This record gives sequence, C-alpha cells and structure tokens, in this order.
Amino acid sequence: KAGVTQTPRYLIKTRGQQVTLSCSPISGHRSVSWYQQTPGQGLQFLFEYFSETQRNKGNFPGRFSGRQFSNSRSEMNVSTLELGDSALYLCASSLEASGERNQYFGPGTRLTVT
Amino acid sequence: GNSVTQMEGPVTLSEEAFLTINCTYTATGYPSLFWYVQYPGEGLQLLLKATKADDKGSNKGFEATYRKETTSFHLEKGSVQVSDSAVYFCALFSGGYNKLIFGAGTRLAVHP
Repeated sequence: KAGVTQTPRYLIKTRGQQVTLSCSPISGHRSVSWYQQTPGQGLQFLFEYFSETQRNKGNFPGRFSGRQFSNSRSEMNVSTLELGDSALYLCASSLEASGERNQYFGPGTRLTVT
Repeated sequence: GNSVTQMEGPVTLSEEAFLTINCTYTATGYPSLFWYVQYPGEGLQLLLKATKADDKGSNKGFEATYRKETTSFHLEKGSVQVSDSAVYFCALFSGGYNKLIFGAGTRLAVHP
C-alpha cells in the first residue's frame, strides 16, 4: 500500500505570494492532519480534516487554510506569504478506526519564502 | 494545557552504547503516547506507541513504558547503531480528534 504523498517536495516563493500544497493520504484513510515544522517552534498542529470537514484547528492566522476533497486528498493554502512561513509542512493521515490513533506522515513539502 | 517535554540534545553516543531519551508529559485523562523518528531530509516515522498505563511499546530494539505515576515515556535502546542517528520526537495524542502534541525533539548522533 502506498504511503502518504506530498507535492511538491520543494517550493520557493516570494513574500506576498500565495502557495498551495497537496497531500494524498494512504488509501482508505479518511483523516488528514497538517503540521508545520520550524527550527524555532518545532512541530505545530495546523488543522485536521475528516470527510471534507475541518474538525480541529491550531493557533495559526487566517492566512493558513485548507480543504479536503471527497477522495480524502487534502490541500493547504497559505496566502500573503511572510518570511516566517518558511518551514517543512508535513501531512499525516489516519485510518480513524475505533481506537486507532496512528498517524502516518508524508515526506513533507519544504517551503522557502524569500 | 497538554504538553510534552523532552531532554535537550544533541545526544552523542558510540556504537553499541545504551540509549535513554527522557520524555515527560502533562495531560488530562489518559492520552496515548508515541515516539516518532525523523531521518535527515525525511518526514516522521512512527517508532512505537503505548495507549494505557504500564503498556510497553517496542520496535526495532527500542522500548518505552507508559508510566502514569511519573507521567513519563522514556525511550531506551540497549545497543545503538550508526543507522539510529536521527531526531526523535515524543508525542501525545490530544483529545478526541487527530491532533498530536510533540516535544521539541532530541537529536541523536551515533559514532562508529
């Protein structure tokens, strides 16, 4: 079974631009979560989607948004990019079966804002 | 609120040495606890987990025991290899939705 895939793997953008990152979960997984990883703040939860609905959101500004499609694929969007948005963005999927809490991570998208 | 505290790194060991990475947590209720590992240039891999008090998670020679009385989940390995060099993250599962709260990570460097 294929793992979580994220595209693109690397991205360079300029301040003020917007960016869209994509995540395809493991087949059969209906929950997708997004995390931001930076050297200063570590790993921080952005949001989680299940069945096309955002169920939980972290403490990030409204410039960070996401969505989930009917096939469970998810995208996150960052508008009006700032230098501080440079980070590794990780997507994780979960089976969401009773008692199952394992999250499986993709390789991440490395975003550099210049 | 819920939080995870890990020992600061880097941890530098010689091959075949014993490894301990300390992890303590603050949480209400009975969270599930995890260790993830991140190799250079890669995402996170689930290493092991424990879902209730006194459970022991184990994988690839690594072990961790869920200690509710000390709110700890320390990672141990009896004999590390160079290939174990990576960053290790302790995490807890928070609440009813799929939200992991991570520690700051501990970098392990193993030398031949």
